[in-house]
Amino acid sequence: AQTVTQSQPEMSVQEAETVTLSCTYDTSESNYYLFWYKQPPSRQMILVIRQEAYKQQNATENRFSVNFQKAAKSFSLKISDSQLGDTAMYFCAFMSEYGNKLVFGAGTILRVKS
Amino acid sequence: GAGVSQSPSNKVTEKGKDVELRCDPISGHTALYWYRQSLGQGLEFLIYFQGNSAPDKSGLPSDRFSAERTGGSVSTLTIQRTQQEDSAVYLCASSLEVSGGAFFEQYFGPGTRLTVT
Repeated sequence: AQTVTQSQPEMSVQEAETVTLSCTYDTSESNYYLFWYKQPPSRQMILVIRQEAYKQQNATENRFSVNFQKAAKSFSLKISDSQLGDTAMYFCAFMSEYGNKLVFGAGTILRVKS
Repeated sequence: GAGVSQSPSNKVTEKGKDVELRCDPISGHTALYWYRQSLGQGLEFLIYFQGNSAPDKSGLPSDRFSAERTGGSVSTLTIQRTQQEDSAVYLCASSLEVSGGAFFEQYFGPGTRLTVT
C-alpha cells in the first residue's frame, strides 16, 4: 500500500518570502501521479499543482513549483512571493496510474504573516 | 451551481441515530468519491463510484457505512447507529470518467461536518 508522509505539522512565512513544504511517499509502482492540494478555512479542497511521475521536468503553476525527486521519493512544494491568501492547510497526495483514489498525507498548516 | 455541492453543511446527531449525507457532483462527471477527514485519521478514502456502481468500497470503515448513487448523479452516504468516532468532515469529489492511465482532476465539495454527541 502507498503511504504519504508530511513531516511538518505547521509552518509560517512572512508575506513576500519563499517557503518550502516537504513530502515523501512510498510506493513500488513506476508510474503514478502526485499532487498538492490547498484547504483554506472554508474546507474547499483546491488542486494547486500535479506531477506525473514519468515526467522528469518539475511542474510549475505561477508562484507554485515542485521539486520532484523520484529516486528519493520526495515531492516538495515551493511557494514564492507568499501572499496572505496562501494561508491554508496543504496536503500532499498520491494516485496510482490506474487508480481512482487519492492517498493523502497528514497535512501542513501554513500561516503567512504580514 | 457549477461546482460539487454537499448537504447539509453541518449535522449534529445523537449517538445511535442514522444520518444521510448528500453529494451533488458536477454535471457530466461520471466518477464520484467520498473521503473522510478526521483529527485522528487524517484524510482517508471511503468509496468510489463509476456511474451507479461502486467498484471500490475498500475504505468504508464498517458495515454501518453504506453509499448509493442513483441516475449516475446524486450520491448519498448513510451512517447507521452513529458513534462518536464517526465525527468528522465528509468530503465528496467528482471527476470525468476514470480510464486506465488517464488523469482527470477530482473536484471537491465543501464537505459536511458531522458531530455525534
